[in-house]
Amino acid sequence: GDSVTQMEGPVTLSEEAFLTINCTYTATGYPSLFWYVQYPGEGLQLLLKATKADDKGSNKGFEATYRKETTSFHLEKGSVQVSDSAVYFCALSDQKGAQKLVFGQGTRLTINP
Amino acid sequence: DARVTQTPRHKVTEMGQEVTMRCQPILGHNTVFWYRQTMMQGLELLAYFRNRAPLDDSGMPKDRFSAEMPDATLATLKIQPSEPRDSAVYFCASGPGLAIGNEQFFGPGTRLTVL
Repeated sequence: GDSVTQMEGPVTLSEEAFLTINCTYTATGYPSLFWYVQYPGEGLQLLLKATKADDKGSNKGFEATYRKETTSFHLEKGSVQVSDSAVYFCALSDQKGAQKLVFGQGTRLTINP
Repeated sequence: DARVTQTPRHKVTEMGQEVTMRCQPILGHNTVFWYRQTMMQGLELLAYFRNRAPLDDSGMPKDRFSAEMPDATLATLKIQPSEPRDSAVYFCASGPGLAIGNEQFFGPGTRLTVL
């Protein structure tokens, strides 16, 4: 079945550092790919998405590119802030059926001032 | 500001008791999903609905869990009887339909503790 594998956490960085969180997927067909973020005590929020190969999703300084050849969707940000501290989830949804999401295990990110 | 709402936010109960969690999807959304989040298993899809009809509930333990949508503004997830292993955060999410790449909007979750 479809699956998503994320970089193990937790990840701790200093403010203004460069961030990469790796995500690879296994799926039949051509899934849509997502990054969701979960702040403490809250539900998940969509951070960015890409629906076809070579698409780049971006939001709030975060970026991720849909790489079909490497089945990857790595999350990057050039300069992180303390407010970026959260848990980040990579997910896919298939392009058939009910668009249900399959999530990676999540990566907890802590940014120190 | 349209949001998915869930009640209760926290629930502590004893093993064997019935638990009912409620979700109000965003008005106009026709797909509703129930997820469970635990440290060990991460986020798991339990069930989902389209236009109030259940499409798939294969993620739920059938003997004790049930999910329904009595109307378009209410989705319920019931556990009877509850067990300590059901302790988790339960999220409801709604979406505007089944188009490719459609976002799911998550509620704040119900944190369930079964003693």
